[in-house]
Amino acid sequence: DQQVKQNSPSLSVQEGRISILNCDYTNSMFDYFLWYKKYPAEGPTFLISISSIKDKNEDGRFTVFLNKSAKHLSLHIVPSQPGDSAVYFCAASSNTGNQFYFGTGTSLTVIP
Amino acid sequence: DSGVTQTPKHLITATGQRVTLRCSPRSGDLSVYWYQQSLDQGLQFLIQYYNGEERAKGNILERFSAQQFPDLHSELNLSSLELGDSALYFCASSVVRGGYTFGSGTRLTVV
Repeated sequence: DQQVKQNSPSLSVQEGRISILNCDYTNSMFDYFLWYKKYPAEGPTFLISISSIKDKNEDGRFTVFLNKSAKHLSLHIVPSQPGDSAVYFCAASSNTGNQFYFGTGTSLTVIP
Repeated sequence: DSGVTQTPKHLITATGQRVTLRCSPRSGDLSVYWYQQSLDQGLQFLIQYYNGEERAKGNILERFSAQQFPDLHSELNLSSLELGDSALYFCASSVVRGGYTFGSGTRLTVV
C-alpha cells in the first residue's frame, strides 16, 4: 500500500519557467514532509522540508506548499535551471514512526 | 561526498546466491536505515538500526537480514537471491528527525 504517491512519473519544463512537482499522501498521521533530489548514480540528497504546523516553506528557488485538508504537497522551483534536472522524491513521516515513506519519484527535465 | 559510504557500488550475482552489502554511516550518526529501490518503485524501507540495536522493520523479506556493529557500520545480508531482488539498495544515516543522508547506493543485479 503506497502511502505517499507521486502520480507524475516525469515532467519537462523550459529553463526559466516554474516547475511544479506534486505529491499526495493517505496517512493523516503524517506530520513531517521532505523533498529529496536524486541524480543518476548518486543517492538522494535532502532538498527541503515542511512541518504540518506550516503551510509553506521557502528556501531560495525552492518552495514547498502543504495542504493538510487535501493531503497534498507540492514543490515549486522558480526559475527552473538545467541543473535541476533530476528525480525528485517526496517523503513523509509521523512523530510515532522511525521511518520515512517515499513516493515513486518524478523525473524533472529542464530544457535549455 | 555525503559522508555515508556504501560498498560495493555494483554487484552481479546468480540466483540462489548470498551477498553482503556494507554501509558506514556519517560520523556521529548512530542510526542506519536500509532502503530498496526497485524499477518504477519508490524507496521502500527495509530496516533501521540504532546504536547496534534493531529499531524498526519495514518490508524486509525473511531472506534478508541486517546488523549494526560496535563501530556503527552496518551490513545487509541478502540470501537465496531471486531475479526480483535486483534493485538499488541505499543506506542512510541521520542524527535527528530532520532527514536522511543517503549513501550512493549499491546496484545489485541478479542473473
